[in-house]
Amino acid sequence: LAKTTQPISMDSYEGQEVNITCSHNNIATNDYITWYQQFPSQGPRFIIQGYKTKVTNEVASLFIPADRKSSTLSLPRVSLSDTAVYYCLVGDMNAGNNRKLIWGLGTSLAVNP
Amino acid sequence: NAGVTQTPKFQVLKTGQSMTLQCAQDMNHNSMYWYRQDPGMGLRLIYYSASEGTTDKGEVPNGYNVSRLNKREFSLRLESAAPSQTSVYFCASGSAGIRNTEAFFGQGTRLTVV
Repeated sequence: LAKTTQPISMDSYEGQEVNITCSHNNIATNDYITWYQQFPSQGPRFIIQGYKTKVTNEVASLFIPADRKSSTLSLPRVSLSDTAVYYCLVGDMNAGNNRKLIWGLGTSLAVNP
Repeated sequence: NAGVTQTPKFQVLKTGQSMTLQCAQDMNHNSMYWYRQDPGMGLRLIYYSASEGTTDKGEVPNGYNVSRLNKREFSLRLESAAPSQTSVYFCASGSAGIRNTEAFFGQGTRLTVV
């Protein structure tokens, strides 16, 4: 099972773009990359998922280089409400469910005024 | 639009007591999951159910049992609670589609075993 490495914490300021990079050197051919967000005292919330190149939705962008050994979650113009823990997960999506996803400690993002 | 609903939100148990954590989803998802989250550790999968009528062990199943009562409901039972089971428990559901990693989580149950 692929493991991920991401920074323990990051600091930013309101209005800045935040990029959180995740390393997954052992990613397998069938693995997809998924990012979740978790606020204190709440369950995680799905942000974005991708396999290669770039994926964008209304919340974030996900950049995945050709070798897929890393990925970068980009949050445009963060606000105080983006203060949360961000998890990068890699797992075999052909399994049809999330049972093989391994959750790490995530990156604790603090957005300052 | 309730999503995933867990009850109770908080619970204190004495060692050896039993209890059932309830989870229900209204999104017609096939897959449901129970996780625990402890300080300094990521979420760990306790049990999952790929579809109604099936359940399988996850990473940390010891001390727990589950029931997939129907498509909507997936309960987690602690038969004899231990202090090591003090944790925050999350239930989640997903559509289980191929290449779909989106899971929806409940608000969590904070359990303390004394």
